[in-house]
Order: sequence, then C-alpha cells, then structure tokens
Amino acid sequence: TQLLEQSPQFLSIQEGENLTVYCNSSSVFSSLQWYRQEPGEGPVLLVTVVTGGEVKKLKRLTFQFGDARKDSSLHITAAQPGDTGLYLCAGAPTGANNLFFGTGTRLTVIP
Amino acid sequence: EPEVTQTPSHQVTQMGQEVILRCVPISNHLYFYWYRQILGQKVEFLVSFYNNEISEKSEIFDDQFSVERPDGSNFTLKIRSTKLEDSAMYFCASSPYTETGTRTFGSGTRLTVV
Repeated sequence: TQLLEQSPQFLSIQEGENLTVYCNSSSVFSSLQWYRQEPGEGPVLLVTVVTGGEVKKLKRLTFQFGDARKDSSLHITAAQPGDTGLYLCAGAPTGANNLFFGTGTRLTVIP
Repeated sequence: EPEVTQTPSHQVTQMGQEVILRCVPISNHLYFYWYRQILGQKVEFLVSFYNNEISEKSEIFDDQFSVERPDGSNFTLKIRSTKLEDSAMYFCASSPYTETGTRTFGSGTRLTVV
C-alpha cells in the first residue's frame, strides 16, 4: 500500500485567512491529483500535476508538486466559507497504474 | 457536463445477503473503478477494469467481490455474502484514456449491512 500522509488532518480558520495543506509520501508518483469531497458525495477533481516542481493555479488555490515527485501542497489564499470540505490528495506511483488516496484534510472556514 | 451515475444511493441489507451496486460510467471512458470509503476513513481502491477484464485489484477485493460490465453502459459491483464490515460508501469512477488519467467519481452508494 502506498501511504500518502496529509497534514493537518483538521483545520479550522477564519474567513480571509491563508492556509496550506501538505501531502507527503516516501514513494515517487508519476502524477498526483487533488480532490475535494463534500459530505455524502464522491470526490471531485481539482487538479492533476505530473512534472516535478510544477505549480498550477486555480483561482485562489495554488498546487505544487515537489521536485522529487514525492510530495505536494495546496495553498488557499483568502479562504471563504465555500472552501469548507474534505481535501484529498491522490497519487499514481511510478510503475503502478492505480491511484492511492491520502488520509485527507478536513477544512472548515468560519464566516 | 458528463457524469458517472450510481444506483441506488442507499442500500440496507442483511448480513449474508448478496448485493449488486450499479454504475453507469461516462460513455466514452475506457477505464472503470470501484473505491470504498468506510465512515471517517480514507478512500480505498478496490478494483480497476479495462477491456472487459480486471486490470488491478487490492487485497480488499477478495473472492466475495466481483465486477461485471453486462452491457455497453453498466458496470456493477457484486458482494456475494455481505458482512457487517462491508458497510461503507462505494464509489464508482471512470477515466478516458490511461489508468492514471483524470477520474470522474459518482456520488456513491451508501451500503449499510445490518
């Protein structure tokens, strides 16, 4: 099992604050994805990163893939209550064809 | 926007009974998956399916589980004799080209075994 550890596990912040969520592993991934999951729903893809050092922006969300392709971060600027949810990273290990999910970060943005 | 459809949204079954969870993947996708998420835990891979056969499965996917694509649109997960610990959300997903490509997830089926 490819273990993807996310930190923090829980995060509660005030509206307007910035935050960073981390996704770490000892394994190398050919690609890494970030999903957001609402209660009772399936994960919804936010972004896929494939190149070491790659940075992708999605409005107020910035995703970075580590140079060694073992870790990733998600940075949210000026968080809003609508950002509340469970954020999941998922990686496809090099040489494997499957996708393994991280432990998740549950974000609450307080108005 | 195309979506993956799962039915039923919630199923309650008695321990030992067989259940079939149904999924309609996105029509031009070639790879299909089942994942499960026990309440409060992470999403776990069960099985991937391509070209009418299983391409990869996890240790969770034992002989009690089977998958089938009975026609051109449906993709099913069967649990032969349910156990209490099979209670979870089961998500179907599909992707278009490669196994590591973008996956689109359905809204899930909540299975409760009593």
